[in-house]
Amino acid sequence: DAGVIQSPRHEVTEMGQEVTLRCKPISGHNSLFWYRQTMMRGLELLIYFNNNVPIDDSGMPEDRFSAKMPNASFSTLKIQPSEPRDSAVYFCASSSGQGNGYTFGSGTRLTVV
Amino acid sequence: AQSVTQLDSQVPVFEEAPVELRCNYSSSVSVYLFWYVQYPNQGLQLLLKYLSGSTLVESINGFEAEFNKSQTSFHLRKPSVHISDTAEYFCAVAGGNQGGKLIFGQGTELSVKP
Repeated sequence: DAGVIQSPRHEVTEMGQEVTLRCKPISGHNSLFWYRQTMMRGLELLIYFNNNVPIDDSGMPEDRFSAKMPNASFSTLKIQPSEPRDSAVYFCASSSGQGNGYTFGSGTRLTVV
Repeated sequence: AQSVTQLDSQVPVFEEAPVELRCNYSSSVSVYLFWYVQYPNQGLQLLLKYLSGSTLVESINGFEAEFNKSQTSFHLRKPSVHISDTAEYFCAVAGGNQGGKLIFGQGTELSVKP
């Protein structure tokens, strides 16, 4: 198994541009999570899906952020328009049940200049 | 609601010394407990977990954690650390009414010096 796959690994973009982060969860995992990690705030849960349905998006910071999961093997996190304060490492994780914990991807390091 | 407190943000230690990273949680129901490790520029990796049964759980690289229900703690220990153990360690809790969510602590940065 290739694990949770995120792309791109690094993204540098200018303020105001649209950014799309991608995630392929582990096959058979029915839950998917998007996290943001910064020095100041640590790990923040942005949104999570169960069986492709968004369950809790209370962590999404603003309307500029949106996430989709069109099928069991793909999810996107979009920021439009991006701002410098969105600079962070964004992680995707998937799980087959809360007793099994999460498997994390390697993350996307986003820099907005 | 559940929460996790990692009592130390940074723990410096010399190589081959013992180490304990502290974690306390709050929950009124049965929980699952986890420790994750994050090496520089990488994602989080599951180190060990407690679901039920024996309160002492071990990882393959010499770490162990003990679930203490009365003290609501799940401290991580290693009797002799290596330089390669330098990383950030996160304690997490799941279960109860949190749905599928893991609640993470703020992390403890373990720095092992020669």
